[in-house]
Amino acid sequence: EVQLVESGGGLVQPGGSLRLSCASSSLTFSKDWMHWVRQAPGAGLVWVSRITGDGSRRNYADSVKGRFTISRDNAKNTLYLQMDSLRADDTAVYYCAKDAYYAMDVWGKGTTVTVSS
Amino acid sequence: QSALTQPRSVSGSPGQSITISCTGASSDVGTFNHVSWYQQHPGKAPKLMIYDVNKRPSGVPDRISGSKSDNTASLTISGLQAEDEADYYCCSWGGTNTWVFGGGTKMTVL
Repeated sequence: EVQLVESGGGLVQPGGSLRLSCASSSLTFSKDWMHWVRQAPGAGLVWVSRITGDGSRRNYADSVKGRFTISRDNAKNTLYLQMDSLRADDTAVYYCAKDAYYAMDVWGKGTTVTVSS
Repeated sequence: QSALTQPRSVSGSPGQSITISCTGASSDVGTFNHVSWYQQHPGKAPKLMIYDVNKRPSGVPDRISGSKSDNTASLTISGLQAEDEADYYCCSWGGTNTWVFGGGTKMTVL
């Protein structure tokens, strides 16, 4: 069974940057599409970004376009989310998830990002 | 990328059935069959329950089912059990390589 482990969350000031990582145990990681999904405190799930297995296609929600960058290192079985120009409303638990049939079939436990001065 | 519309809450007694609706647009739910449903218990990560409108991943019981009509997808849970009490989210692929979630439904077992 595939396991995903996020890391890199923490407290950052508005306007700052943070890079999240997601380590995957998948034997086919280089073929797996991967997503980032976030959940603000007491709120619902929001899709953030998706990257294809070879990294050639990347898509973003309008709310993070131009500020966040999704990437991956298939040699390290690791997914990343570079978050710049952070705002208070980016405060959330960030989950990475593996795609299967345009759904998210495996999820990590999440990492918490808090944007506050 | 407008969020899909779900009822804020639903409830049912043990053994009964409940249905949660998820209304989107012709640009997402109405056109594509890539609708999925997730269960989330407090403090836990979401769990995939249904994909492609009505398909169940391995390990999800057959008392969980999904359907779709026009711009509205639905999740039905039959034979309600205490452990079904959770938040449920629908999600649809938008056809432009973006995904959109519903606002979530809190399901209470009375």
